[in-house]
Amino acid sequence: ELKVEQNPLFLSMQEGKNYTIYCNYSTTSDRLYWYRQDPGKSLESLFVLLSNGAVKQEGRLMASLDTKARLSTLHITAAVHDLSATYFCAKGGRAGGTSYGKLTFGQGTILTVHP
Amino acid sequence: ETGVTQTPRHLVMGMTNKKSLKCEQHLGHNAMYWYKQSAKKPLELMFVYSLEERVENNSVPSRFSPECPNSSHLFLHLHTLQPEDSALYLCASSQARAGGTDTQYFGPGTRLTVL
Repeated sequence: ELKVEQNPLFLSMQEGKNYTIYCNYSTTSDRLYWYRQDPGKSLESLFVLLSNGAVKQEGRLMASLDTKARLSTLHITAAVHDLSATYFCAKGGRAGGTSYGKLTFGQGTILTVHP
Repeated sequence: ETGVTQTPRHLVMGMTNKKSLKCEQHLGHNAMYWYKQSAKKPLELMFVYSLEERVENNSVPSRFSPECPNSSHLFLHLHTLQPEDSALYLCASSQARAGGTDTQYFGPGTRLTVL
C-alpha cells in the first residue's frame, strides 16, 4: 500500500526566510504532485514532477524529485505572507487494475508566514 | 462555468435524511473522482470513475452511493449518514490515459455537516 508522509505538518515562518517541506513516499510509481489549499478553498495544482531529478520553479516555490530516495521537496525562498496556505504532496498510482490514475495524498503542511 | 463546479457548497442534514452532492466538470476530461477531507485525516479517495464506469471504490460505506451518468457529471447520493461523515467532499477530474496520471483538477467542495 502506498503511503505518503509530509513533514513538517505545521510551519511558521517569518517573511523573507527560506524553508523546505519534505514529502516521502513508500513505493516507486508514477508522478509526484504538489497542491496548495487556501482556507475554505479547493486544491490548486502547483507542480507535477515526472522523473528523477525533475525540478520545477514558480515564483518563490521550487519543487524537486529524487526517485531513488523516494523524496520530493518543496522549497520556499524569501517567504511572503501570500504564501500562507496548506501544501499537499500527492503520488500518482493506478486505480484498480486499469491504467487510470488515482492520487494518494500526504497529510498536508500548514504554512503560516508572519511579517 | 469553467473548471470543476460543485453544488451545494454547504449542506446540513440529519442522520435520517437523503441528499445528493453534484459535481460538473467543463474540462473535457474522462475521469472523475470523489474525495473526503476530514479535519484530522489526509485526503481520502472514495470513488474513481473513468468513462462513466466505476474503476475503484475504496471500501466506502454503502451509505455513500456514487452515480456518473456521463463524463461531465458525477453525483454522490447520501443516506442515513453518521456525524463522523461530516467533512469537506471534493470532486476532481482529470484526463486519464495509459502511461500516466494526469493532473487532477478540483472543485470548490461541499462542506457537509451531519447532525
